[in-house]
Amino acid sequence: EVQLVESGGGLVQPGGSLRLSCAASGFTLSDFYMDWVRQAPGKGLEWVGRTRNKARSYTTEYAASVKGRFTISRDDSENSLYLQMTSLKAEDTAVYFCARSTAVNSYYYMDVWGKGTTVTVSS
Amino acid sequence: DIQMTQSPSSLSASVGDRVTITCRASQGISNYLAWLQRKPGKAPKSLIYAASSLQSGVPSRFSGSGSGTDFTLTISSLQPEDSATYYCQHYNSYPLTFGGGTKVEIK
Repeated sequence: EVQLVESGGGLVQPGGSLRLSCAASGFTLSDFYMDWVRQAPGKGLEWVGRTRNKARSYTTEYAASVKGRFTISRDDSENSLYLQMTSLKAEDTAVYFCARSTAVNSYYYMDVWGKGTTVTVSS
Repeated sequence: DIQMTQSPSSLSASVGDRVTITCRASQGISNYLAWLQRKPGKAPKSLIYAASSLQSGVPSRFSGSGSGTDFTLTISSLQPEDSATYYCQHYNSYPLTFGGGTKVEIK
């Protein structure tokens, strides 16, 4: 069964750092693009960033709101995806989801999602 | 950035009703459009990709259509388990963006 399980969320002070993890199972992580998406309380979904697959050298893309503060990485040997978050702000408070992205005609859409992990940025 | 505008923001319908949700992109995105279902406490679920292709395992009462800038998600016969918030999302270019969501309630 294809599954994604996020962990690492919690309460952090403004300006602090946190690393989220996403454990993948049921598929070979290195073959797929992977995304992080978040949902702030009472708000809609917001794309955070993407890492491409091994064939595309694991290159990354980020939303403007997190660029320079968040870093996506992966350890394919551990079948894990990570989101390193620094200089956290109150507006980063959200549920964070990881998602697998699959290609259709060379364009990638998110086909499998995890249940999310909650990050709260507050003093 | 491409803006995705969904309407309505919420609706209430009866079991068995036909429900239609629309999504408009601020510029053409070909058919690089997905629809997701979001229920509280659950993982978002992919319903439709490439505007009209049904994700494996999704009931056939869900369908999508459109191309360019205007898209629709249709639930042909609403079921109690369809109570959720639905989002459109484009994957034509970066940044990927989502519509604001449509909350579907069962009367």
